[in-house]
Amino acid sequence: QVQLKESGPGLVQPSQTLSLTCTVSGFSLMDYSVHWVRQPPGKGLEWMGRMKYDGDTYYNSALKSRLSISRDTSKSQVFLKMNSLQTEDTAIYYCTRDRSDYSSPFAYWGQGTLVTVSS
Amino acid sequence: DIQMTQSPTSLAASVGESVTITCLASEDIYGSLVWYQQKPGKSPQLLIYGATILEDGIPSRFSGSGSDTQYSLKINSLQPEDFASYYCQNGLSTPRTFGGGTKLELK
Repeated sequence: QVQLKESGPGLVQPSQTLSLTCTVSGFSLMDYSVHWVRQPPGKGLEWMGRMKYDGDTYYNSALKSRLSISRDTSKSQVFLKMNSLQTEDTAIYYCTRDRSDYSSPFAYWGQGTLVTVSS
Repeated sequence: DIQMTQSPTSLAASVGESVTITCLASEDIYGSLVWYQQKPGKSPQLLIYGATILEDGIPSRFSGSGSDTQYSLKINSLQPEDFASYYCQNGLSTPRTFGGGTKLELK
């Protein structure tokens, strides 16, 4: 059974760094890619970046200068770090896994974790 | 990057009606289009992939169509549980951009 679960601080101060962990089960990080998607309150979905199964990363160009995604395959964890946080980074952050079908749909999602940027 | 433009941004309809949501890609995505449904307080759920392939467990009143740059999601005979937000996504290439979303509300 495929599962993903996000964890991290619920509150981050402006200008600080956000660190989130996505812990997965039911599959290997060396077989599937994991993506990060965020959603500001009341707004749409924004694709942030992904950790490919081969260890390659790709970032949304709008976030690239602030964002880093890494992993620990032995712990089945994918990490997101984003620096210089501002209030507009307040959002629910999801990790999600694609599936090996045409168009690589995001078939599995974590429950999401709300991150509030505030002093 | 491929841009995805969804319309309308919001839509009011009644139970039993049919509605259509459209998604326009900035370039040909060769049918590599994904639709998600999201209910308040929940994670997005996969509805349709490959533009037309219904995910297991999704009712047949949902259907997808389209090709090249233009795609549609149709919901026939709306049920109370269908009132939610819907998003399209580029499935062809990274970055995996989403459309802006369509909020389907009860009239």
